[in-house]
Amino acid sequence: GNSVTQMEGPVTLSEEAFLTINCTYTATGYPSLFWYVQYPGEGLQLLLKATKADDKGSNKGFEATYRKETTSFHLEKGSVQVSDSAVYFCALSQSSGTYKYIFGTGTRLKVLA
Amino acid sequence: ETGVTQSPTHLIKTRGQQVTLRCSSQSGHNTVSWYQQALGQGPQFIFQYYREEENGRGNFPPRFSGLQFPNYSSELNVNALELDDSALYLCASSLNRGGDGYTFGSGTRLTVV
Repeated sequence: GNSVTQMEGPVTLSEEAFLTINCTYTATGYPSLFWYVQYPGEGLQLLLKATKADDKGSNKGFEATYRKETTSFHLEKGSVQVSDSAVYFCALSQSSGTYKYIFGTGTRLKVLA
Repeated sequence: ETGVTQSPTHLIKTRGQQVTLRCSSQSGHNTVSWYQQALGQGPQFIFQYYREEENGRGNFPPRFSGLQFPNYSSELNVNALELDDSALYLCASSLNRGGDGYTFGSGTRLTVV
């Protein structure tokens, strides 16, 4: 079945460091891929998405490229801020009449001042 | 536009009891999906309602049931609560089954004791 695998956290970085959070997926066909962010005590917020191979999603300095050859969708940011501290979820969605999401287990990011 | 609102925000129930969680979808959205997020895990798909009909279900027992109303708000009902039902329950609304993504609410934290 479909699945998403994320690198385990927590990831601890200093402010202005470069961030990479790895995400790989298993799916048949061509799923859409998403990154969501969850701040403490809150629900999920869409960070970025990509719907086909080689698409690059970007938002708020974060980027991820849909790599079908490596079945990956790694999240990157060139310079993190303390306010980026949160849990990041990679997810895929595939139409089968229901665009349900399959999420990874999440990666906690801590950014230190 | 208003976002997705869920009520209550927190709830404590006793094993064996029944619970109803409520969700008001974002204005203009006709689809509601429910997810269960256990502590430290990614959200798991429970089911989706599209135009008042169930449109897909995850691997949850029948004691998890739902409704969608003509105004597209929704309820999640859980009967015969078990300790493992303790989780954050997230409601997500979208247009036309979610092909373009979802807007998530902040969730209801259910604790079963």
